[in-house]
Amino acid sequence: AQTVTQSQPEMSVQEAETVTLSCTYDTSENNYYLFWYKQPPSRQMILVIRQEAYKQQNATENRFSVNFQKAAKSFSLKISDSQLGDTAMYFCARVVAQKLVFGQGTRLTINP
Amino acid sequence: NAGVTQTPKFRVLKTGQSMTLLCAQDMNHEYMYWYRQDPGMGLRLIHYSVGEGTTAKGEVPDGYNVSRLKKQNFLLGLESAAPSQTSVYFCASSYGARGGYTFGSGTRLTVV
Repeated sequence: AQTVTQSQPEMSVQEAETVTLSCTYDTSENNYYLFWYKQPPSRQMILVIRQEAYKQQNATENRFSVNFQKAAKSFSLKISDSQLGDTAMYFCARVVAQKLVFGQGTRLTINP
Repeated sequence: NAGVTQTPKFRVLKTGQSMTLLCAQDMNHEYMYWYRQDPGMGLRLIHYSVGEGTTAKGEVPDGYNVSRLKKQNFLLGLESAAPSQTSVYFCASSYGARGGYTFGSGTRLTVV
């Protein structure tokens, strides 16, 4: 089965700290796409960052960056200078045969 | 910029009742998806469509039917609702399997 695994159900950090969310996946493909989505209490799914597997450079979007380790099939999300508004569920996902497959999610709480 | 619109946003059904959830997108996307979200399980794919007139089963299709008669609409039907179908349902669309995915705001369905 083509799976995506997030091993941290919940995390909690203080405001302004840096936090890293883990994600591993299973694949037999050489080129594929990986995503991190944020789901705040409003329930809206918001794309945080996108990585193409054939690109060696790690994707970055402002305070959000990824550590993409292709050989290890690892795709972690780093949030720098965390803010209260970063409190949300975070989902790792990848495309599998025309479909977006999600991990179980990590509930991140930023404390003041 | 409507994006992806889901109706209704909330619904309570009695066991055995039927209903249809409507998803409409105005981005001319080919691909459309229906997911359900349950605590601790992420988003799981119910059914999807790769173009007008096509549908395919996802990970958890039992108890649901879908139709894509028009490119912009993707309907999810529950013929005989069961308490196990209590969930939050999300529709999504994309211009390709590896393209950007746009999500609706979700429908919270409770079956009593």
